[in-house]
Amino acid sequence: GQQVMQIPQYQHVQEGEDFTTYCNSSTTLSNIQWYKQRPGGHPVFLIQLVKSGEVKKQKRLTFQFGEAKKNSSLHITATQTTDVGTYFCAGQDSGYALNFGKGTSLLVTP
Amino acid sequence: DSGVTQTPKHLITATGQRVTLRCSPRSGDLSVYWYQQSLDQGLQFLIQYYNGEERAKGNILERFSAQQFPDLHSELNLSSLELGDSALYFCASSPPTSGGLYRSSYNEQFFGPGTRLTVL
Repeated sequence: GQQVMQIPQYQHVQEGEDFTTYCNSSTTLSNIQWYKQRPGGHPVFLIQLVKSGEVKKQKRLTFQFGEAKKNSSLHITATQTTDVGTYFCAGQDSGYALNFGKGTSLLVTP
Repeated sequence: DSGVTQTPKHLITATGQRVTLRCSPRSGDLSVYWYQQSLDQGLQFLIQYYNGEERAKGNILERFSAQQFPDLHSELNLSSLELGDSALYFCASSPPTSGGLYRSSYNEQFFGPGTRLTVL
């Protein structure tokens, strides 16, 4: 079945540094979604990418979907302490299920 | 607050027991999803229901079962509990992507606060 791998597992940065997490699927995806989970909280939807090569921006966050629709990345520019949390990618193939990666836990030190 | 409610918030029980977790989706959402989150396995998709019918099945054990009722709330039943079933169980709902008042161009999922299950 479809597997979604996410790296790195953990990332510790100084406030103001950039951060990137990468997501790779074993199969071609129809779309990919990104979620953020704050410590002690629940996952919250950030964005969905559908088109090959799509790039979307939300303020300091940039999301990309690969040309082959098998990989994606999330880049945060100039991290802030409010960016702390675990970022999950979730891929959907031709079925209805969303397969989540194991997430990247981001720690930002002031 | 996502609008998805889950009860109970915490549950402590013993091995071999059976528990029921409850989820109420957001108003207008027809789909309900169940996930298990543990430290070493991340967020594992268990099962999805759409308007009362099972739509997709993930890595759900045979000891686990779920259903969605006519009022769209859902219950996840976990039986013959083992220590390894200790985890955070999330329910999520999503709006319809076509037709209806609440349709969305995305199929994003809205997660509830979760039920923390501890099996002793």
